[in-house]
Amino acid sequence: GQSLEQPSEVTAVEGAIVQINCTYQTSGFYGLSWYQQHDGGAPTFLSYNGLDGLEETGRFSSFLSRSDSYGYLLLQELQMKDSASYFCAVRDGDNFNKFYFGSGTKLNVKP
Amino acid sequence: NAGVTQTPKFQVLKTGQSMTLQCAQDMNHNSMYWYRQDPGMGLRLIYYSASEGTTDKGEVPNGYNVSRLNKREFSLRLESAAPSQTSVYFCASPSGVTYEQYFGPGTRLTVT
Repeated sequence: GQSLEQPSEVTAVEGAIVQINCTYQTSGFYGLSWYQQHDGGAPTFLSYNGLDGLEETGRFSSFLSRSDSYGYLLLQELQMKDSASYFCAVRDGDNFNKFYFGSGTKLNVKP
Repeated sequence: NAGVTQTPKFQVLKTGQSMTLQCAQDMNHNSMYWYRQDPGMGLRLIYYSASEGTTDKGEVPNGYNVSRLNKREFSLRLESAAPSQTSVYFCASPSGVTYEQYFGPGTRLTVT
């Protein structure tokens, strides 16, 4: 099967940098995705890493190390609106059509 | 271009009642998915349809049925609702080109 582990909660101050880690176990690997979900809202896609290294999209960056089965989401210049839950996700290594999500990391940004 | 739409937004059922959750997408994607999300947890795949005319079980299919009515629409049916099915249900449709999934706004279902 597939499993993903993330910290349940992280707290940081406005303007700071925070890193949310994700370790995964999959029988195959088709890349790691990240989603953001505000309370009461739907998940929205943030980034995807198919190969090792860093992908940058504005204030958000995502990193992948396939040899370590590890990735992280880096949020810079934190803003209050970044308070949300963040989920990492992978495709099933045996069935490309199935997706698995981590249990999510709740980010609390304080003034 | 509405993306993914779901109805209803909220629903309260009594144990044993049935209902159908509707989902439609206007992005011409082949695949559509149903997830449930329980408090403090990630999304768990209930059923998916990789293409029109096909459906397959996900991680937690028991107690649910689905119908891929056409390329646009994918419905989820609870034949006999149970309190354990109290959850938020999301429909999603991934792009075939990228790995991005587009989610509907969700249906908040309570079974008493």
